[in-house]
Amino acid sequence: DGGITQSPKYLFRKEGQNVTLSCEQNLNHDAMYWYRQDPGQGLRLIYYSQIVNDFQKGDIAEGYSVSREKKESFPLTVTSSQKNPTAFYLCASSMGAPSNQPQHFGDGTRLSIL
Amino acid sequence: AQSVAQPEDQVNVAEGNPLTVKCTYSVSGNPYLFWYVQYPNRGLQFLLKYITGDNLVKGSYGFEAEFNKSQTSFHLKKPSALVSDSALYFCAVRARGSYIPTFGRGTSLIVHP
Repeated sequence: DGGITQSPKYLFRKEGQNVTLSCEQNLNHDAMYWYRQDPGQGLRLIYYSQIVNDFQKGDIAEGYSVSREKKESFPLTVTSSQKNPTAFYLCASSMGAPSNQPQHFGDGTRLSIL
Repeated sequence: AQSVAQPEDQVNVAEGNPLTVKCTYSVSGNPYLFWYVQYPNRGLQFLLKYITGDNLVKGSYGFEAEFNKSQTSFHLKKPSALVSDSALYFCAVRARGSYIPTFGRGTSLIVHP
């Protein structure tokens, strides 16, 4: 079945450590997105990518980095400069050229600080 | 700029009663509008969308939504609520030509047996 796979489901970060969250899709979607979800705040956009080898900052990109070397993959690195990383992180994808189709979401990674 | 307001943090309804989850939006031009549902520790699942045409949109699991252009609203409705409908519901708007939707803060729906 086509879909988006996020791993790991739970992740713990130590002080001064970078951690990378994986997101893989087999939907043949051009566009991919990373969101951060905190209780009562909805979804906030971290980064998005419209096409391979290209990505743009979202509303809260500071302390995060991404790469898009393959169409299927859009990993997110939470760097040590992100002082409040504890949150639920969601990856999504959608068809390319702005379309009327909805986003597809993975089941998230919950990141906590040790 | 585009924005979405979900004025209720929580909606409580008895099983079997009709439910409404409210959403209003602001966007330049004609919008694409979406409703998603999220169960605990899961991603968002698409319920329904409004693109154009009929103002009453039918979606998954018996949900429907009514697009009202004059009131810039897109309220989610269901004639008879189930306990299993209890979840977090998100409304989203996207301007035509944009890659980026804007999500509301979410409304927690609690259906009591």
